[in-house]
Amino acid sequence: IRMTQSPSSFSASTGDRVTITCRASQAISSYLAWYQQKPGEAPKLLIYAASTLQSGVPSRFSGSGSGTDFTLTISRLQSDDFATYYCQQYSNYPRTFGQGTKVETK
Amino acid sequence: QEQLVESGGGVVQPGRSLRLSCVASGSTFTFYAMHWVRQAPGKGLEWVAVISFDERSKFYADSVKGRFTVSRDNSKNTLYLQMNSLRPEDTAVYYCAREKATIAGYYGMDVWGQGTTVTVSS
Repeated sequence: IRMTQSPSSFSASTGDRVTITCRASQAISSYLAWYQQKPGEAPKLLIYAASTLQSGVPSRFSGSGSGTDFTLTISRLQSDDFATYYCQQYSNYPRTFGQGTKVETK
Repeated sequence: QEQLVESGGGVVQPGRSLRLSCVASGSTFTFYAMHWVRQAPGKGLEWVAVISFDERSKFYADSVKGRFTVSRDNSKNTLYLQMNSLRPEDTAVYYCAREKATIAGYYGMDVWGQGTTVTVSS
């Protein structure tokens, strides 16, 4: 299953509302997770089952979607949120990640 | 909070082998499926392999199938990745990660190691 994220990168300012889109090449129900990765660090789980917030993750992060189209939204971007975000499907194996979306400071 | 620590990375010539290890602290290792995920320099994440908590199920990415073998020793809280016939394109940081899996479903990879670097070069 191919996962396609858009955009690949963009610039934003703190306080902005940010939306990242992930599209699956075939239906995956709600078997989707979102990860955040900062340079030199391991990825961090943000959301699983498309919309369930992982424990300890700030509530400004939210996820939605099912089937083939999904979104990750950051309601008010904070300085700690500048990073690369990946979606990953776990509907079946092999698991596949999107190519990543880099959120940079404007 | 459980921690995962990878080791075994290094520089190896094409065609040679390497075995990675991932040791879990804490007492919950046996309850989780364990994954290997890699990241080539400057590139995105690539899922590599998974092993179920009881070793009954193993799955691999097409790019490593037949060359890599995932295993675990629950008595030692350790996950392994045996990598044979290494290629330059296997050069990456390799992460281990755990995932809770129940009859109800999967819950995402919630704990990751810091990664170990594998460089395949002559």
